[in-house]
Amino acid sequence: GDSVTQMEGPVTLSEEAFLTINCTYTATGYPSLFWYVQYPGEGLQLLLKATKADDKGSNKGFEATYRKETTSFHLEKGSVQVSDSAVYFCALSDPAGGGNKLTFGTGTQLKVEL
Amino acid sequence: EPEVTQTPSHQVTQMGQEVILRCVPISNHLYFYWYRQILGQKVEFLVSFYNNEISEKSEIFDDQFSVERPDGSNFTLKIRSTKLEDSAMYFCASKPGATTGELFFGEGSRLTVL
Repeated sequence: GDSVTQMEGPVTLSEEAFLTINCTYTATGYPSLFWYVQYPGEGLQLLLKATKADDKGSNKGFEATYRKETTSFHLEKGSVQVSDSAVYFCALSDPAGGGNKLTFGTGTQLKVEL
Repeated sequence: EPEVTQTPSHQVTQMGQEVILRCVPISNHLYFYWYRQILGQKVEFLVSFYNNEISEKSEIFDDQFSVERPDGSNFTLKIRSTKLEDSAMYFCASKPGATTGELFFGEGSRLTVL
């Protein structure tokens, strides 16, 4: 079945540091890929998405590129801020499974310090 | 901006009691979901609902669980007889149509079973 694997957290960085959160996936079909973010006390919000190979999703300085050859969708940001502290979830939607639901990774907690 | 709202934000109950978690999806959305996240574990799919019936459910969604859209506005998750292992954060989500993979999530309802 479909699955998403994320790097273990928590990740603690200093402000302005470079961020990478690794995400790899297994899917039956040709999935769409997502990064969701959960800020403290809030629900899951879509951060960015990519629907086909080599697509790059970007938002708020975050980027992720859909790499079919390595089945990966790593999240990056060049310079993190304290306000980026949150839990980040990688997810996929697989049309071979109906495309009706999202399969999530475990989430990676990011803490950014001054 | 339209949002998915969930109540209660936190519920504590005794084992064996019935619990109803409530959600108000975004008004023009057609697909509705419940997910849960046990502390430290993955966000897991429970059930999807479309056209007033369950369209897909996971192995977790056994006979103790039910969903209902009683009035065209609310979308509820009922757990008939709670167990300790039902303690989790429950997320409601919705999406407007079949073509988009993106789900819009509520802030979650934390259920604690004692």
